[in-house]
Amino acid sequence: DAGITQSPRYKITETGRQVTLMCHQTWSHSYMFWYRQDLGHGLRLIYYSAAADITDKGEVPDGYVVSRSKTENFPLTLESATRSQTSVYFCASSDPGTASNQPQHFGDGTRLSIL
Amino acid sequence: AQTVTQSQPEMSVQEAETVTLSCTYDTSESDYYLFWYKQPPSRQMILVIRQEAYKQQNATENRFSVNFQKAAKSFSLKISDSQLGDAAMYFCAYRLSNFGNEKLTFGTGTRLTIIP
Repeated sequence: DAGITQSPRYKITETGRQVTLMCHQTWSHSYMFWYRQDLGHGLRLIYYSAAADITDKGEVPDGYVVSRSKTENFPLTLESATRSQTSVYFCASSDPGTASNQPQHFGDGTRLSIL
Repeated sequence: AQTVTQSQPEMSVQEAETVTLSCTYDTSESDYYLFWYKQPPSRQMILVIRQEAYKQQNATENRFSVNFQKAAKSFSLKISDSQLGDAAMYFCAYRLSNFGNEKLTFGTGTRLTIIP
């Protein structure tokens, strides 16, 4: 089925470890995004990408790395996880080429716990 | 930088009644879009309704409608005939309308409880 898929859905890891969250979309949307959701903060943008090989920082990029070698994939890596990165992470995509008011479409989120 | 404020962390409403969730935003731009997203316990982010700032008419989607006051920078969501399935976190979001400016700015959310 077409859509946006995040994996894993849940992840527990330890401080200092590297962890990668995966995001895959089948719409061929040009834009992809990573947000984190924390109580009292809503969703905050970590990184986004306008196309393959084009990425840019959002509001809270520190401690995260992204890449986009293919249009459909946008992995998010925590190179050395810290407890403050415990959060729910959402991937989203959008395509301004179809119409300028198109909303972002979200994956189901990854709950990441860092012990 | 644009900011979005949802001043009601929690709201509750009796089933079948009407409830209004508040959202204000701060921007110096004149062209933008506003959205309400619903997040049920399943964690999905579901688009409820959208509003283009250049449109004076308030958007409506079935039981959901907005009161868009551009001068006051206010964008409230009204849910009529509330149903148990409406229980969720609701997020207000803003983005600029110029092509390629796709970033969303979210409010902190309002948790809506439906009382049977």
